[in-house]
Amino acid sequence: NAGVTQTPKFRVLKTGQSMTLLCAQDMNHEYMYWYRQDPGMGLRLIHYSVGEGTTAKGEVPDGYNVSRLKKQNFLLGLESAAPSQTSVYFCASRGETYEQYFGPGTRLTVT
Amino acid sequence: ELKVEQNPLFLSMQEGKNYTIYCNYSTTSDRLYWYRQDPGKSLESLFVLLSNGAVKQEGRLMASLDTKARLSTLHITAAVHDLSATYFCAVDGAPRSIADSWGKFQFGAGTQVVVTP
Repeated sequence: NAGVTQTPKFRVLKTGQSMTLLCAQDMNHEYMYWYRQDPGMGLRLIHYSVGEGTTAKGEVPDGYNVSRLKKQNFLLGLESAAPSQTSVYFCASRGETYEQYFGPGTRLTVT
Repeated sequence: ELKVEQNPLFLSMQEGKNYTIYCNYSTTSDRLYWYRQDPGKSLESLFVLLSNGAVKQEGRLMASLDTKARLSTLHITAAVHDLSATYFCAVDGAPRSIADSWGKFQFGAGTQVVVTP
């Protein structure tokens, strides 16, 4: 039981490049989340999903897209990376107990 | 718009003394969560509070929820160095309409705790 995993762990992009972050959970959870964490700003919700095939915008969705084609996976895409997207990205999932389980994070730098 | 405010944002603790972190939120919700984050690490769930008056304790930490006051507190008893970390509260945004659903989380900015001898 791996819990929540994220790939990659680190990535450096140049401005304008695209990439996809993958989040996978093996707990059969319905809810999944993508957050970004910046110094002094806590965690901000980018997008979330309440079930397979559904997604919704969070607090800071601009510049990101998501997809939840399979229940266990939640993908976060950056179509054209900008330096302002340099951050640590966390994925989380939640089941019926309401507790959120977080992945280890992806440290992204955009130059 | 759901807002979550924590205070203080930084707390320097002396070992052996008691302290409290406060978490205020702006909208109706009876689901509140506390997390701990060590530097460079992910978040670890500490407490899940699901009703008014809920109180949970684990070791030197105790969390409570007052949904009428829209306030949760995290009380630290006899602080020790191992409790140095950043503590976050988060609130589950209640649905505003039938089309909405539970699921939208809002985190506080975090309280950085440093415990010194």
